[in-house]
Amino acid sequence: LAKTTQPISMDSYEGQEVNITCSHNNIATNDYITWYQQFPSQGPRFIIQGYKTKVTNEVASLFIPADRKSSTLSLPRVSLSDTAVYYCLVNQAGTALIFGKGTTLSVSS
Amino acid sequence: NAGVTQTPKFQVLKTGQSMTLQCAQDMNHEYMSWYRQDPGMGLRLIHYSVGAGITDQGEVPNGYNVSRSTTEDFPLRLLSAAPSQTSVYFCASTKGGLHAGELFFGEGSRLTVL
Repeated sequence: LAKTTQPISMDSYEGQEVNITCSHNNIATNDYITWYQQFPSQGPRFIIQGYKTKVTNEVASLFIPADRKSSTLSLPRVSLSDTAVYYCLVNQAGTALIFGKGTTLSVSS
Repeated sequence: NAGVTQTPKFQVLKTGQSMTLQCAQDMNHEYMSWYRQDPGMGLRLIHYSVGAGITDQGEVPNGYNVSRSTTEDFPLRLLSAAPSQTSVYFCASTKGGLHAGELFFGEGSRLTVL
């Protein structure tokens, strides 16, 4: 089972860019990296997924270096509504999807 | 499109009682899973299934049983509830395949065991 390591918590202010890095040293060749966001009392929701280099959507960017042993979720200009728990997952084909404890992001005004 | 439907949303049990948390998805997803969430612990995988007739244990399987007789349904059974099983339970599904895509979650089931 792929194991990931993330910071437990991060603090930011409105309007700043937030970068959350995830370590996944034992990622395999066919594995993808996926990030989720969870608000209190809700199930996690998909943010972004990538395999290598950079992926960008309307919500975030995902940076993956060449060795793919880490990834960084970038949230541009965060707002109070971005306060949530963020999870990094490594998607291994045909195996369990393990979430871990995630990173609690607190955004202040 | 209903997505992933969990029932019940809330349940109170007494120690030793049994119950089943229901999970159904209408997206023809191969992969289904159950997680529990406790304060400060993130989401922990209980059991998962990569297709009908196939189930496997996750990180915290003890005290729970599952079955996958159809693609759509993945019930979670507590045979003899314990206070340690007080938690919020989430069912999730994804299409599976080579790398699995987006996980879709149900709204959660809050279980209290007295």
